[in-house]
Amino acid sequence: AQKVTQAQTEISVVEKEDVTLDCVYETRDTTYYLFWYKQPPSGELVFLIRRNSFDEQNEISGRYSWNFQKSTSSFNFTITASQVVDSAVYFCALSGPYNQGGKLIFGQGTELSVKP
Amino acid sequence: DTEVTQTPKHLVMGMTNKKSLKCEQHMGHRAMYWYKQKAKKPPELMFVYSYEKLSINESVPSRFSPECPNSSLLNLHLHALQPEDSALYLCASSLGPSYGNEQFFGPGTRLTVL
Repeated sequence: AQKVTQAQTEISVVEKEDVTLDCVYETRDTTYYLFWYKQPPSGELVFLIRRNSFDEQNEISGRYSWNFQKSTSSFNFTITASQVVDSAVYFCALSGPYNQGGKLIFGQGTELSVKP
Repeated sequence: DTEVTQTPKHLVMGMTNKKSLKCEQHMGHRAMYWYKQKAKKPPELMFVYSYEKLSINESVPSRFSPECPNSSLLNLHLHALQPEDSALYLCASSLGPSYGNEQFFGPGTRLTVL
């Protein structure tokens, strides 16, 4: 069965601190995709990144970086020099069963609070 | 234009009312989705439309009725809802229904059933 675990329910940091959000996944598929979404208090889920299972290169986008490690089935997300605007719920997701195209398996989410 | 719009933003309805939620995208996407999200929980998939045909129904009660009039529009018709149906309803779209396509979400409709 496919599963995504975000063990950190809530994280609180002070502005300018670095913070890492953990994501561990389970799947038997050899080809799969991983995603991160941000959900600010307004409610809209904002797509951040997609990574396929054959590309283990780490990715950096401004203050955001992602560490994908197949050996530990993890896809962690780091925010460098956090800002108050980073306060949101972050969801890690895994592509669902191949025969159910489009389905996403979401983790429970990590609520990040960045205090000034 | 990478935007999914949803109307209304907020909706309050009684258990005997009939209402509709609307979703629109103009990105040329051919897959559209309805999700339900309760507070402090991840989104739960309800329906998937692929090329304007219903491809996934996650055993949603019949009081929720989806409709896809064309490739840009997705509606969710609501009838005889229960208070436990109060939630944030999110619409999303993706380029196609293929495995692994990223989904783009709208701002959601916050529904309260009295």
